[in-house]
Amino acid sequence: EIVMTQSPATLSVSPGERATLSCRASQSVSNDLAWFQQKPGQTPRLLIYRASARATGVPARFSGSGSGTEFTLTISSLQSEDFAVYYCQQYNDWWTFGQGTKVEI
Amino acid sequence: EVQLVETGGGLIQPGESLRLSCVASGFTVSSNFMSWVRQAPGKGLEWVSVIYSGGTTKYADSVKGRFSISRDNSKNTLYLQMDSLRAEDTAVYYCARVRGSADVWGKGTTVTVSS
Repeated sequence: EIVMTQSPATLSVSPGERATLSCRASQSVSNDLAWFQQKPGQTPRLLIYRASARATGVPARFSGSGSGTEFTLTISSLQSEDFAVYYCQQYNDWWTFGQGTKVEI
Repeated sequence: EVQLVETGGGLIQPGESLRLSCVASGFTVSSNFMSWVRQAPGKGLEWVSVIYSGGTTKYADSVKGRFSISRDNSKNTLYLQMDSLRAEDTAVYYCARVRGSADVWGKGTTVTVSS
């Protein structure tokens, strides 16, 4: 099973700041990597697929990069609605999710 | 509008069975890969099962032999039959359309396994 490790577990930032979230795979997943956003009590929302492609309706302030085993989600200027938990997920070999990064004020 | 609606969750005792349903609208279940993902209280996301458009099914090791995924093409509905339920199966269960990753999710249905 491919293990996905996210860091940090919690990221404290202020509105308007840049946030950088990391995700590492235990073996190469090529670019079969997605990022999800989940707010309390809500369904996960697909933000990024294929490591860097934004899903429909996702603001341009969200960007993804990386390939192989190292990936990054960047939120260029945090808005109040961006405070949430973010999960990475590989779909190269079945599916596994990271444990999540909580972005908080 | 593309939408998934799950039903069938509830409070159930250990060892019992439950069947979850997921009705799709705006697209055809049988033409897509479809998956179930769960989230235990306060925990992260865990993939449970997938059914490919050709009918092949796959399961996470944690549910293999106890859960069964299926679909009814005439009803455009996905199912998850859950047998021999355990306390650790307590979670919100989401169905999702899979196009690479999960691009459409339902709102989930809650399963609580407790005596």
